[in-house]
Amino acid sequence: AQKVTQAQTEISVVEKEDVTLDCVYETRDTTYYLFWYKQPPSGELVFLIRRNSFDEQNEISGRYSWNFQKSTSSFNFTITASQVVDSAVYFCALKSSGANSKLTFGKGITLSVRP
Amino acid sequence: NAGVTQTPKFQVLKTGQSMTLQCAQDMNHEYMSWYRQDPGMGLRLIHYSVGAGITDQGEVPNGYNVSRSTTEDFPLRLLSAAPSQTSVYFCASSPSRGRGQDTQYFGPGTRLTVL
Repeated sequence: AQKVTQAQTEISVVEKEDVTLDCVYETRDTTYYLFWYKQPPSGELVFLIRRNSFDEQNEISGRYSWNFQKSTSSFNFTITASQVVDSAVYFCALKSSGANSKLTFGKGITLSVRP
Repeated sequence: NAGVTQTPKFQVLKTGQSMTLQCAQDMNHEYMSWYRQDPGMGLRLIHYSVGAGITDQGEVPNGYNVSRSTTEDFPLRLLSAAPSQTSVYFCASSPSRGRGQDTQYFGPGTRLTVL
């Protein structure tokens, strides 16, 4: 069975602070994908990143960076110099390879960035 | 491309009424799915389809039916609405092959209230 744990439920920071959102996953599969999605107050779900289990390279995209560590089954997301527009709910998700495998979501982290 | 579209955006039903939530995608994705999002529960899979003519149950299928007669469309039917089905419903699609394999893209959601 797959499981995604986002232990932080709510985080509040002041603009320009760095913030890290934690994600821990469980799976018995050797091939799987990890994802982060953003849900802003408008409600849509926005895809941010997909990471293959064979690729442990960290990734940076502008102010966003992701740290994938297989040894600790973690896929953490850091926002550098946070902005008010980063305020949203962030979901980490896990999917095994294979057409019938399901996407399992964590419960989400609500990030509030105050001006 | 319009991506994944859902109609209606909002709906209010009375207990016992039936209705169909529409979902369409124009990306020629093989995989489509329906989720419901409830406070504190994250997203839970209702039904999914790996291709036209093929559907299967997810985590919370009771009270819902689906069919997939075309690649583009994946409607979700509520047979006899209950207050417990008050939720936000998201449709998603993903390619089963290629570079974006298994990355699910979400529609804007339908907010359903059952009185």
